[in-house]
Amino acid sequence: RKEVEQDPGPFNVPEGATVAFNCTYSNSASQSFFWYRQDCRKEPKLLMSVYSSGNEDGRFTAQLNRASQYISLLIRDSKLSDSATYLCVVNGDTGFQKLVFGTGTRLLVSP
Amino acid sequence: NAGVTQTPKFQVLKTGQSMTLQCAQDMNHNSMYWYRQDPGMGLRLIYYSASEGTTDKGEVPNGYNVSRLNKREFSLRLESAAPSQTSVYFCASSIGGTQYFGPGTRLLVL
Repeated sequence: RKEVEQDPGPFNVPEGATVAFNCTYSNSASQSFFWYRQDCRKEPKLLMSVYSSGNEDGRFTAQLNRASQYISLLIRDSKLSDSATYLCVVNGDTGFQKLVFGTGTRLLVSP
Repeated sequence: NAGVTQTPKFQVLKTGQSMTLQCAQDMNHNSMYWYRQDPGMGLRLIYYSASEGTTDKGEVPNGYNVSRLNKREFSLRLESAAPSQTSVYFCASSIGGTQYFGPGTRLLVL
């Protein structure tokens, strides 16, 4: 079983739609969780950290379910510029410095 | 503020050739990393350096060596390139749990 698993997609949605991605992780001792965004042929960039109580940043909401070991990302009012691959990231066994990346979920937002 | 820089951006090698990928960061971060990214595999950690003077193996270290030259610079060396090392290589540095990536090096080994 992969340490971090994501549906690769692609998710095709129209502008203005709400879309949600889930991610599951296998290491119950993981303490830190993140969503990164990666544009085509570019480097990954931090989108947001995921906190136990859930957190929101504008149109983006991230939630963590420790009991079921999954993380979610909700994007409201999708924009064309949201088209990218979204990487679920979890810290590894040795603490926050070693991160384990999911393979990513591709989102395509169309006009 | 350049962040994390990598050179070269692109490289084509023949099997058996050697090369060094360079990485530098100007954010005064202690930790630095080398990853490779392949289709369907996601980012995989090759080596990391928790602080100046230390390096450790990641998930896929075979065929690579690293040098943490100083706090700013962390290089990755391929001593004898193989076609299986064709990939996109990313360097990153971190503070806390957030990693900042360089723009990547696209390497093709023929």
